[in-house]
Formats: sequence, structure tokens, C-alpha cells
Amino acid sequence: AQTVTQSQPEMSVQEAETVTLSCTYDTSESNYYLFWYKQPPSRQMILVIRQEAYKQQNATENRFSVNFQKAAKSFSLKISDSQLGDTAMYFCAFIWGGADGLTFGKGTHLIIQP
Amino acid sequence: GAGVSQSPSNKVTEKGKDVELRCDPISGHTALYWYRQSLGQGLEFLIYFQGNSAPDKSGLPSDRFSAERTGGSVSTLTIQRTQQEDSAVYLCASSLEFGSYNSPLHFGNGTRLTVT
Repeated sequence: AQTVTQSQPEMSVQEAETVTLSCTYDTSESNYYLFWYKQPPSRQMILVIRQEAYKQQNATENRFSVNFQKAAKSFSLKISDSQLGDTAMYFCAFIWGGADGLTFGKGTHLIIQP
Repeated sequence: GAGVSQSPSNKVTEKGKDVELRCDPISGHTALYWYRQSLGQGLEFLIYFQGNSAPDKSGLPSDRFSAERTGGSVSTLTIQRTQQEDSAVYLCASSLEFGSYNSPLHFGNGTRLTVT
């Protein structure tokens, strides 16, 4: 079974700081995909960034970047120059070719303080 | 439509009643997914559709839950004889194709179900 673990239920940082959200996963598959989704109070899940397991280069999307360590099965999200609008639940998710759908972690509630 | 649409946005029902939750995916998306999000929990995968068929229904929590999709578009999740533990946000998502990196999931705003 595939599992995704987010060990930080809640984090709080000051605006403009850099914050890193951790995610580890467990799988016996060699090819899979990893995602970070953001869920603001509106409840809509928004894709933040994605990474293919066979790519060694870490994905980046503007202020968002990942640190993908395949051997350690770790996929952390770094948010640089954090903004008030980054306040949300962040979910790490995983999918592989034979899966029924995305497997999500339990989320990290990120609070950006003014 | 522009995005995934779910209705109703909120639903309060009495224990024992049946409820229907609707999901209208993005036009052209062949894959559709239902998730349940309970307070303080991650997203629990329930079922997915490829076109109109659901290859695996084992993710549904009990036989009180059923889902269908007609015309390769709108899907309905039905919960019969609702229980208080069914209270949660039910999220629907769609993607251009199933299980592809290049077809990320697009989520609706969910239906918040409260069973009293």
C-alpha cells in the first residue's frame, strides 16, 4: 500500500519568510508522480507543483520549489518570500500508474502572519 | 464549464435520510474522482470513473454509498440512510485522462454534508 505522511499538522511563519513543509511517502513502485496541493478556506484544491519520480531535477514554480529525495522517499515543499495569501492547508499527494487515484497526506495547516 | 462544479455547496440532513451529491466535471475530462475529507483528516479516496464505468468500488466506505456517472459527464454520489459519521466535505475532481502526470486533477469546491 502507498502511504503519504505529513508530520507537521500546523506551521506559522512571518510574512516574507521562507518555510519548508515536509512530506514522506512509502511505495515499492519505481515510477510515480508527486504533487503538492493547496486548499484555502474556499475549500477548492489548487495544484501548486508536481514532480515525476524519474526526474532528478527538482521542480520549481515561481516562489514554490520542491526538494525531492527519491532514495529517502522525501518530497518537501519550500515557499520563498511567503505571502498572506499562502495561508491554507497544504496536502502532499502521490499517484502511480496502477493506482485508483491520488493518495493524500493529512495536510499541514500553514499560517502566514503579517 | 470553466471548472468543476459541485452541488449543493452545503447540505444538512437528518440521520436516516438519503442524500445525493452532484458533480459536473470540466467538459472533455474523461476521468472523474470522488474524495471525502473529514475534519482534521486528509482526503480519503472513494471512487473514480473512466468514462461512465467505475472499475473499482472498493473504496466506498459501506454499501450505503453508491455512485454513477452518465453520458461521460455528470456524476452523482448517493448516500442512503445517512449516519452522523458520514458528515464530511465531499470533493469531486476531474482530469483529462486517468492517472497521468500531464493530466492533473482539477477539484470542485466540495459539498459540506452535515448529518444531524
